[in-house]
Amino acid sequence: GQQLNQSPQSMFIQEGEDVSMNCTSSSIFNTWLWYKQDPGEGPVLLIALYKAGELTSNGRLTAQFGITRKDSFLNISASIPSDVGIYFCAGQGRETSGSRLTFGEGTQLTVNP
Amino acid sequence: NAGVTQTPKFQVLKTGQSMTLQCAQDMNHEYMSWYRQDPGMGLRLIHYSVGAGITDQGEVPNGYNVSRSTTEDFPLRLLSAAPSQTSVYFCASSRTGPFDSPLHFGNGTRLTVT
Repeated sequence: GQQLNQSPQSMFIQEGEDVSMNCTSSSIFNTWLWYKQDPGEGPVLLIALYKAGELTSNGRLTAQFGITRKDSFLNISASIPSDVGIYFCAGQGRETSGSRLTFGEGTQLTVNP
Repeated sequence: NAGVTQTPKFQVLKTGQSMTLQCAQDMNHEYMSWYRQDPGMGLRLIHYSVGAGITDQGEVPNGYNVSRSTTEDFPLRLLSAAPSQTSVYFCASSRTGPFDSPLHFGNGTRLTVT
């Protein structure tokens, strides 16, 4: 099946710092999605990317669909305490059906005030 | 708006017991799915449905059954619980599919099998 590798697995940063995390795939992906999970809740969609090279922002968040179509990154600028949570990349590869979404292992973010 | 409602929030089962995790959505979404979340493994798809009367297997379907008799409900059945099924289970729905429209997740059911 599809393999998604997210890094880093965890990050501990100070409030105000910028954060970068990325996701790589063993095969070409058609769609990249970034979700955030707050403690005790289900994930919520942050950003969706549909074209190679696409760069999309959502407030302090910026994500890019890699040119090779095998990777994506998410940046958070000027982090704040409510950024704490688990960030997941997810996507659809060429080999999977249009109804199956594959998730990465997640990046656990801790922000110290 | 209720969104996606999962019940129960917590459950403890003994090995071999059966139970049903309930999931209901009030957004008239066609697509519904079940994931399990284990530490360090992200979210893995168990089963999904693209509409009432249609279900299909995900990555890790063994030990689980689903049915979709109505648009609103998508219950997940564990026929004979095993310790390996200890996990947090999430139900999610979207208007059409997980790539065309955002997945809306419930708040999860934490299951422990002893």
